[in-house]
Amino acid sequence: AQRVTQPEKLLSVFKGAPVELKCNYSYSGSPELFWYVQYSRQRLQLLLRHISRESIKGFTADLNKGETSFHLKKPFAQEEDSAMYYCALSSFTGGGNKLTFGTGTQLKVEL
Amino acid sequence: NAGVMQNPRHLVRRRGQEARLRCSPVKGHSHVYWYRQLPEEGLKFMVYLQKENIIDESGMPKERFSAEFPKEGPSILRIQQVVRGDSAAYFCASSLRDRGLGGANVLTFGAGSRLTVL
Repeated sequence: AQRVTQPEKLLSVFKGAPVELKCNYSYSGSPELFWYVQYSRQRLQLLLRHISRESIKGFTADLNKGETSFHLKKPFAQEEDSAMYYCALSSFTGGGNKLTFGTGTQLKVEL
Repeated sequence: NAGVMQNPRHLVRRRGQEARLRCSPVKGHSHVYWYRQLPEEGLKFMVYLQKENIIDESGMPKERFSAEFPKEGPSILRIQQVVRGDSAAYFCASSLRDRGLGGANVLTFGAGSRLTVL
């Protein structure tokens, strides 16, 4: 069975400091990983996906199959980055694009 | 494009009543997913539907819960004889199809329906 683990419920950093939100997964197949973000009073939205290998809003995430990790990183945190971040894994067992989410990490960027 | 529309946004029910949550997917999307978020927990997959078909309901409780996505109209998540433990936020998402050339398709989420059972 697939599982996504986000060990930190809350991560508090100062503005301008580096950010790393941790995500580990377990999955027997070839994983497809995503990061979704939920800003205050807004709906969940895609931030980035590993298959695209892109940087969105300064965030990057590299899939490390050896460590089964997909940590989200940003070199310099901004106040507007404060939000809830969810790591998700897409699996196709049983059919369909089923996303398994982690429990989320609340990022708080302080001035 | 109105995105995924869920209603009601907030629903209060007494124990034993029925709750119906509606989800209108993005126009043109034929795949709908329902997720539940309990307090202090992440999003838990419940069910995945295409038009008139349930593809994967492995996350649905065996009793009292049902979902449908008819040919016409929104997807409905129905909870019969609600109990306090059903209190949660229920999120619907939709996608164009499950997979494209770029891999798994991105899900577009609704704002959620918050169910409170008294």
